[in-house]
Amino acid sequence: EAGVTQSPRYAVLQEGQAVSFWCDPISGHDTLYWYQQPRDQGPQLLVYFRDEAVIDNSQLPSDRFSAVRPKGTNSTLKIQSAKQGDTATYLCASSFLWGVFFGKGTRLTVV
Amino acid sequence: GEQVEQLPSILRVQEGSSASINCTYENSASNYFPWYKQEPGENPKLIIDIRSNMERKQTQGLIVLLDKKAKRFSLHITDTQPGDSAMYFCAANPGSFNKLTFGAGTRLAVCP
Repeated sequence: EAGVTQSPRYAVLQEGQAVSFWCDPISGHDTLYWYQQPRDQGPQLLVYFRDEAVIDNSQLPSDRFSAVRPKGTNSTLKIQSAKQGDTATYLCASSFLWGVFFGKGTRLTVV
Repeated sequence: GEQVEQLPSILRVQEGSSASINCTYENSASNYFPWYKQEPGENPKLIIDIRSNMERKQTQGLIVLLDKKAKRFSLHITDTQPGDSAMYFCAANPGSFNKLTFGAGTRLAVCP
């Protein structure tokens, strides 16, 4: 069974630039999560979907971050006008019933 | 919501000994407690989990204990090997949809 697939694996931006991250969850998983993991810290939930519906986006810095999952399968997380504080690994995960499974993430560096 | 505290942040053990990591949570509604292992540059991998209807679970050298009264759960790695060296994260889910809150992590080093 294929795992959660993310791209790109790495991104380096200057402050003020925009970037999009893409995620393909495990087939059949109805719930999809985006987490932010700063270096040497635990993952922190940004937003999650069940099918195409946003269940909770309260932790998204809404003025610059947005996430969509229009067909209830793949998802895109976008950062407008990146800041140095956004430097982190962005992890996508998916689940169906019990168990949350993570992709390898996108390591973002904002200089 | 939920808050999860994880200790210790760094743990060094001799190969062949046991390692223990402890987590506490605040929300009595939490009902699912997974543990993840993360190696450098890799994704967190689910290694064992326990639900609130259990007190103990064991698989392949890993033991998880859950004390709901104390709101505490722990991971015990028996007969540690150098390949067990990694970051370990505990997490708790206070409701539906597996909305996990993670601890800050424990860096385990197994020394030969």
